[in-house]
Order: sequence, then structure tokens, then C-alpha cells
Amino acid sequence: QQQVKQSPQSLIVQKGGISIINCAYENTAFDYFPWYQQFPGKGPALLIAIRPDVSEKKEGRFTISFNKSAKQFSLHIMDSQPGDSATYFCAASYNNAGNMLTFGGGTRLMVKP
Amino acid sequence: DGGITQSPKYLFRKEGQNVTLSCEQNLNHDAMYWYRQDPGQGLRLIYYSQIVNDFQKGDIAEGYSVSREKKESFPLTVTSAQKNPTAFYLCASSTGFSNQPQHFGDGTRLSIL
Repeated sequence: QQQVKQSPQSLIVQKGGISIINCAYENTAFDYFPWYQQFPGKGPALLIAIRPDVSEKKEGRFTISFNKSAKQFSLHIMDSQPGDSATYFCAASYNNAGNMLTFGGGTRLMVKP
Repeated sequence: DGGITQSPKYLFRKEGQNVTLSCEQNLNHDAMYWYRQDPGQGLRLIYYSQIVNDFQKGDIAEGYSVSREKKESFPLTVTSAQKNPTAFYLCASSTGFSNQPQHFGDGTRLSIL
């Protein structure tokens, strides 16, 4: 019940295209959903996060869509650029001591020039 | 600049040897975490600490030990009992309050000689 399932594992998109990464969860207590971006040899960096009281959040070219009834959320990268090539992780947490996060398995994105 | 510093960036361990990975933060965060990342995998929690002089086991604590004597520091020791230590180790910190992001260091890559 603690799992967050992420798909696809890898994704290849042409420059200018839309990259879409999906995550699904089971624990209905989750109420915070961050996305992290990780470049090779670096630690993950927070990209964007959403609470379930909104269905969509946009920051620049990055948008999170959230479907509470389906227990799914997704990251959309508009106008994908080669510099977006990285591994993306979704995560989820609930009101717990220690602010524990449950991570998805990651998606390796490659944006071709 | 506030952030998390992990050292060394690369570390080699001989068979039967304990090694210690350093993690220091100047974000004034109460909570700190250690994760293990294997190639193409997500992040697995090793240990976490919500407050000085207190820490809890995560999902894969066997073969690892930690200490939290100072708020800024959370070193991880990989003991000889950890039979497969080759991985990328990530340290993170957060305020400890629910639904707040974790901030990551740039990791230490540990290999076996």
C-alpha cells in the first residue's frame, strides 16, 4: 500500500515534443506529491510538487496533473529540450513523523535534438 | 549558499573494511536521511533521523550504521556486514514537517576494490 508505481521506465522524445510520465498510488492517505529531476552523477532536485486539493499545477514548461479518484498523477514536459534529458522520480508522502517520502522507480528521459 | 555537502564523491572499499560517508547540511533542517540508489533503480531508504541523537531504520538498514551527534551532520558507515555495498549513496534533509520537500546532496559513489 506504500508503493508508488511509475511508468514508463524510459522515454525517448523528439525536441519540441511533449514528455509524459505517469505515477499511480494506492495509499489514499498520501497528500503531497513532489517530482524530482536527477542528472547523472548528481542528487535529485525538486522540480515541482502538488497537493491533492488542486487538479493541475504549472511551472514554466512543467505541469503536474492530478486525478484523485483514479489515484494517479502525471508530469508533462512541454516543448521538451535536450537539456531536459535526465531521470525523473515521482514521490508521495502523508502527514507522518519524519516527513517520509515514497519514491517511484524513476523514468529515464532522453530528448533527441 | 545553503545546501547539503556529501564527501567524498568517490570511495573505494576493500573486503572486510568499514567505510564512512560524510553528510553535512547548513539548511538548519531537523530531519536527515540516507538513501541507496542502484543503477536504473529508485531510491531506497537506509536510515533517517528526525532530531539530534535519534535515528530510525529505514527499509534496508542491515549492514549500515549512522550517528546524529550534531544537527548539521549525519554520517553513514557501511560496515563489512553489507555484502553488496556498491551503489550511489544520497543524503537528504528536510524541515521534518509534513509535506515539505527533501533536499539532496550530490551523492557518494561507493565501489568495491
